[in-house]
Amino acid sequence: EVQLVESGGGLVQPGRSLKLSCAASGFTFSNHYMAWVRQAPKKGLEWVATISTSGSRTYYPDSVKGRFTISRDNAKSSLYLQMNSLKSEDTATYYCARPDNNRFDYWGQGVMVTVSS
Amino acid sequence: DIVMTQSPFSLAVSEGEMVTINCKPSQSLLSSGNQKNYLAWYQQKPGQSPKLLIYYASTRQSGVPDRFIGSGSGTDFTLTISDVQAEDLADYYCLQHYSYPLTFGSGTKLEIK
Repeated sequence: EVQLVESGGGLVQPGRSLKLSCAASGFTFSNHYMAWVRQAPKKGLEWVATISTSGSRTYYPDSVKGRFTISRDNAKSSLYLQMNSLKSEDTATYYCARPDNNRFDYWGQGVMVTVSS
Repeated sequence: DIVMTQSPFSLAVSEGEMVTINCKPSQSLLSSGNQKNYLAWYQQKPGQSPKLLIYYASTRQSGVPDRFIGSGSGTDFTLTISDVQAEDLADYYCLQHYSYPLTFGSGTKLEIK
């Protein structure tokens, strides 16, 4: 059974940093692209980042490019999202997701990030 | 960027009725290489993570009831839910996975009368 478990969320002040983690199991992690998707409170879904199997290619929307960095450790079956220069508009539930041809077929339960002073 | 225009914002129906949700991308999602439309539909029940219902515009994900039907091509797509059940109470989103940046529709809230 595919499982994706996020951790690392919490309350952080504007301008500070936070790193999210996602522990994957139930599939061969190194064979799959991985991604992060977020959802602001009472709002819709927004794709945040995607990383290739080896980690050599990464993709971001303009809203987070230059501030967020997606990475992975295939030996640990883990995915990460380093978030720097956080803004109030980054407040959201962050989901770890597994893409298949860029559609997300498995999702974690999500982790909440609140950016507030 | 491909803008996904989704409608309606919300709708309320009684059990047993049929609903239709629309999604119109700002450019075609049809790949000339494999003739597939890179459009997916998701269901998000209250307090839960999104769940993949439909991909390639009309292919149901394993385990999804056949009352969920995806259709359309190019720049005009529809999710039809026939014989709506109380358990279908949820938000529904379309996603274009044709090109980066990947973009979602704004969502449709389905309420059961």
